[in-house]
Amino acid sequence: GQNIDQPTEMTATEGAIVQINCTYQTSGFNGLFWYQQHAGEAPTFLSYNVLDGLEEKGRFSSFLSRSKGYSYLLLKELQMKDSASYLCAVSSRSGGYNKLIFGAGTRLAVHP
Amino acid sequence: DGGITQSPKYLFRKEGQNVTLSCEQNLNHDAMYWYRQDPGQGLRLIYYSQIVNDFQKGDIAEGYSVSREKKESFPLTVTSAQKNPTAFYLCASRGAILNTEAFFGQGTRLTVV
Repeated sequence: GQNIDQPTEMTATEGAIVQINCTYQTSGFNGLFWYQQHAGEAPTFLSYNVLDGLEEKGRFSSFLSRSKGYSYLLLKELQMKDSASYLCAVSSRSGGYNKLIFGAGTRLAVHP
Repeated sequence: DGGITQSPKYLFRKEGQNVTLSCEQNLNHDAMYWYRQDPGQGLRLIYYSQIVNDFQKGDIAEGYSVSREKKESFPLTVTSAQKNPTAFYLCASRGAILNTEAFFGQGTRLTVV
C-alpha cells in the first residue's frame, strides 16, 4: 500500500522561512506534488518533483530524495496569506493505472 | 475558458437518499479522480478513471459509485450505503503526461440530514 506522512500543524513568523516535510512509502513512484489549500477551497498546485534534487519557483522550493522517500516544501519570505494547508501528493503506477494519493496535510499558521 | 466544474457547490439531502455529484472538464484530460475531505483532514481517494468506460476503486470506495461514459464527465453517486456521507467532495482531472499536475474543481459540500 501507500503511506504519506506530514506534520499536522506548524507555525511561523511573517518574513521567516519554513520547511514542511513529507515522507512516503510507495511502489511504482512516478512523481510528487505539493498543493496549497485555503479553508473551504480547492487545492492549488505549487510544485512537482520526479527526479532527486531541488526545484525552485519564486518563494517556493521543493526537494525530493527518492531513495529516502522524502520531500520538503520550503517557503521563504512568509506572508500572512501563506496561512493555509499544504498537501503532499504522490503519484504511482500499479497494474497499468496511475493513482494520486494525498497526505493528511500540514496546517501552517503565519503570525505577524 | 478551460477548466473543471463541479456542481452544485452546496447540496443537502435526507438520510437514505442517493445523490449524484457532477464533475465536468473541458481540458481534454484522460484521468479523473474523486476525493473526499473531512474537516481538518487530507484528501482520500474514492474512485479514479484513466479512460472512458473504465474506472478503479480508491481507498474508500464503499458506498459510492461512478461512471465514465464520456471523457469530459465523471459523476459520483453517494448511495444510502455510505454511512457518513456528509463531507467536502473534490473532483480532479489530469493529463496523460505524468509530470502534469491535477486540476481541481471548486468542490461540492454535501450535508446529509
